[in-house]
Amino acid sequence: DSGVTQTPKHLITATGQRVTLRCSPRSGDLSVYWYQQSLDQGLQFLIQYYNGEERAKGNILERFSAQQFPDLHSELNLSSLELGDSALYFCASSETEWGKNIQYFGAGTRLSVL
Amino acid sequence: AQSVTQLGSHVSVSEGALVLLRCNYSSSVPPYLFWYVQYPNQGLQLLLKYTTGATLVKGINGFEAEFKKSETSFHLTKPSAHMSDAAEYFCAVSANAGGTSYGKLTFGQGTILTVHP
Repeated sequence: DSGVTQTPKHLITATGQRVTLRCSPRSGDLSVYWYQQSLDQGLQFLIQYYNGEERAKGNILERFSAQQFPDLHSELNLSSLELGDSALYFCASSETEWGKNIQYFGAGTRLSVL
Repeated sequence: AQSVTQLGSHVSVSEGALVLLRCNYSSSVPPYLFWYVQYPNQGLQLLLKYTTGATLVKGINGFEAEFKKSETSFHLTKPSAHMSDAAEYFCAVSANAGGTSYGKLTFGQGTILTVHP
């Protein structure tokens, strides 16, 4: 068990809808990361937050947004969903905002857009 | 920009044989280097990492990797494969010089390891 909790485990929704994925980091970790894993794109970095502030941004679509709350949990919001958004979404956490630290991954949320 | 190339999307070995998974990176400065393993329907688990110091790094489950700066490589090896090693393996890099990348991990495309009895 990595200590990172993601909910829900599975999401099935329709095109055009909006969903929210939730992540609770390991105790003591201040940084949260979101990654998307799909067959065609592989594992792609979406966004990083550190202690409530955005730090780094990857190729995250404008339809996607995220935030980290004062209790350090994070949410990834996906709107106007398209078939191509179907993927496994991982959250990871680390102690600091820098690359030297190990990132601990949650089990992921599998999103299916029908 | 950093990039990671894993040579071979599928590697098949016999139980007891040497495992060699290849990883090459591209970066303006040597990055931090990681190997993660993903079992079916699970998240990623860290096998080992290189940040500074000794270039031969030992990880969990008998795996090790060697950082070779001149070859920009970080290949993963295990002397004797076990059936339980069957999984997908990802090489990843992160920036070691601060900057706007912060903790972002850039992953290779992954290598699926199959172990035959």
